[in-house]
Amino acid sequence: AQKITQTQPGMFVQEKEAVTLDCTYDTSDPSYGLFWYKQPSSGEMIFLIYQGSYDQQNATEGRYSLNFQKARKSANLVISASQLGDSAMYFCAMADRGSTLGRLYFGRGTQLTVWP
Amino acid sequence: NAGVTQTPKFQVLKTGQSMTLQCAQDMNHNSMYWYRQDPGMGLRLIYYSASEGTTDKGEVPNGYNVSRLNKREFSLRLESAAPSQTSVYFCASSEDADNQPQHFGDGTRLSIL
Repeated sequence: AQKITQTQPGMFVQEKEAVTLDCTYDTSDPSYGLFWYKQPSSGEMIFLIYQGSYDQQNATEGRYSLNFQKARKSANLVISASQLGDSAMYFCAMADRGSTLGRLYFGRGTQLTVWP
Repeated sequence: NAGVTQTPKFQVLKTGQSMTLQCAQDMNHNSMYWYRQDPGMGLRLIYYSASEGTTDKGEVPNGYNVSRLNKREFSLRLESAAPSQTSVYFCASSEDADNQPQHFGDGTRLSIL
């Protein structure tokens, strides 16, 4: 079974608008971490934001915020005030203690395109 | 400001050839990882090393070997390359294995003919 599901292969958003990228996860471990990474066309993987399973508040990093709904097992990434430079592939990932220590399970990604 | 450095950035091999992908990090991280990225598949873990002197298999270890040479360096070796190993390979490191963000190198694009 897939640990991370990203149901949106592609998303489009106009510049300066907000966009939400969906991510659901599957784990029975009470302790886990959720991560979002950005991969621009140049290929590197850039860490954006982290949410721990015991964190009470939703994580925020500048224009990025993570909408963490534990009961629904969702960890959606919200990008506010989109910029052209936000166009990239976005990956949701999870680490739990139940398997390979520290291993990240990745979703298949969402390709975000920001248009002027 | 190097972070995680991978060499080479690109490589073309013939089936049956061997090669080693190099990875070094300057962040004093304990844990290091090798992933491969194939189209539409996200990243999959090949091998990891939780600390110097230890290595363990990940999700797709067949056809690969690794060496944790010291705390900084973690190499990935293809002993007899196969076309199915054509992929983009990423090395990553983290402070430890306990829900810490992993920092990635720029990747190695490997084509096997």
